[in-house]
Amino acid sequence: GENVEQHPSTLSVQEGDSAVIKCTYSDSASNYFPWYKQELGKGPQLIIDIRSNVGEKKDQRIAVTLNKTAKHFSLHITETQPEDSAVYFCAASNTGNQFYFGTGTSLTVIP
Amino acid sequence: EAGVVQSPRYKIIEKKQPVAFWCNPISGHNTLYWYLQNLGQGPELLIRYENEEAVDDSQLPKDRFSAERLKGVDSTLKIQPAELGDSAVYLCASSLPGEDTQYFGPGTRLTVL
Repeated sequence: GENVEQHPSTLSVQEGDSAVIKCTYSDSASNYFPWYKQELGKGPQLIIDIRSNVGEKKDQRIAVTLNKTAKHFSLHITETQPEDSAVYFCAASNTGNQFYFGTGTSLTVIP
Repeated sequence: EAGVVQSPRYKIIEKKQPVAFWCNPISGHNTLYWYLQNLGQGPELLIRYENEEAVDDSQLPKDRFSAERLKGVDSTLKIQPAELGDSAVYLCASSLPGEDTQYFGPGTRLTVL
């Protein structure tokens, strides 16, 4: 089965700085890569996703890049704000049949 | 549009007792997922439904866990009997037919004493 590894497990940045979270996957058949933000006491919320036919996708301050050859994808958050503080999860899926999640990154944005 | 609804939000029980969780997906979402999330970990799939059919239950511990989605809408996940190691958050998610995007509910936090 698929194995998704996520790094770092914790990340602290100063407000206004950028944050980068990286994930690797093992199954070359995976073709859908969502990123979720989970705040305390809430369920994961989709913030951005990318499919295997695209190398990069951007939505305001959030961007995701995908390197299919190396089997890794990254989340980039620019101009971080305190409300970006949360746990972020990456996931990999083969046509939505089975989602495999990373172990999460706890992001703290220091005002 | 209402999101995925789960109840209860919190449940505390003693070991060996039964417990049930309920999920109502977003209207029109025929795919429903139940996930287990241990502290500090990502969600792990327990079971996936397409309408009322369980199409992937390979990770469901069938000796004590059961699930149903009788009318293809809301679903119930049951544990009987509960063990200490079952303490976790149980998440429900749903998606539209043919779509990858999953929408998660707030989860039920289970504590087994």
